[in-house]
Amino acid sequence: GAVVSQHPSWVICKSGTSVKIECRSLDFQATTMFWYRQFPKQSLMLMATSNEGSKATYEQGVEKDKFLINHASLTLSTLTVTSAHPEDSSFYICSAPGTGNQETQYFGPGTRLLVL
Amino acid sequence: GQQVMQIPQYQHVQEGEDFTTYCNSSTTLSNIQWYKQRPGGHPVFLIQLVKSGEVKKQKRLTFQFGEAKKNSSLHITATQTTDVGTYFCAGRGFGNEKLTFGTGTRLTIIP
Repeated sequence: GAVVSQHPSWVICKSGTSVKIECRSLDFQATTMFWYRQFPKQSLMLMATSNEGSKATYEQGVEKDKFLINHASLTLSTLTVTSAHPEDSSFYICSAPGTGNQETQYFGPGTRLLVL
Repeated sequence: GQQVMQIPQYQHVQEGEDFTTYCNSSTTLSNIQWYKQRPGGHPVFLIQLVKSGEVKKQKRLTFQFGEAKKNSSLHITATQTTDVGTYFCAGRGFGNEKLTFGTGTRLTIIP
């Protein structure tokens, strides 16, 4: 089946630094990828839709300048959390849609970010 | 915007008992998907329902899509310890790609 990887899986950083998270589709191409944020014991909140070769589409309330998304190739999307603060600490997950009728979303393993 | 709620939020059952989670959308859906997320893990796709009134089964799991395509349910028969996790429904509206995830139901099993 389709595999999506994320790197890093864990990151601890100081407040004010920027953190880049990579999402890769390993055995398929994805013109669209999705970035979610999940707080402990809560649901997944869609942050933005990453579009290969064009600007990302952000959900209402998500700061574009804070969460920079780049989808430079058909297998890689990156999310950069700029000037991170403790309230940005969360579980960030990306997904890529599969092909065929199922329209399955294949999720990456997620990145746990802790901002001190 | 579209909202998707699930009940119950938590469910503790004895191993061998049945379990059901209900999903309700504020708007009509083009399709609905179900995911399972194990503790510390990421969501894993279970199934997609598209047709009004559709019922699908996967071994001990039965999924149903309501006639009005605004609600869905997941029923697990004779739960096992491997069923532990949070079950999310995710609905997709018409004319867009994005999924709106439900609030989730966290299932714990008492051995």
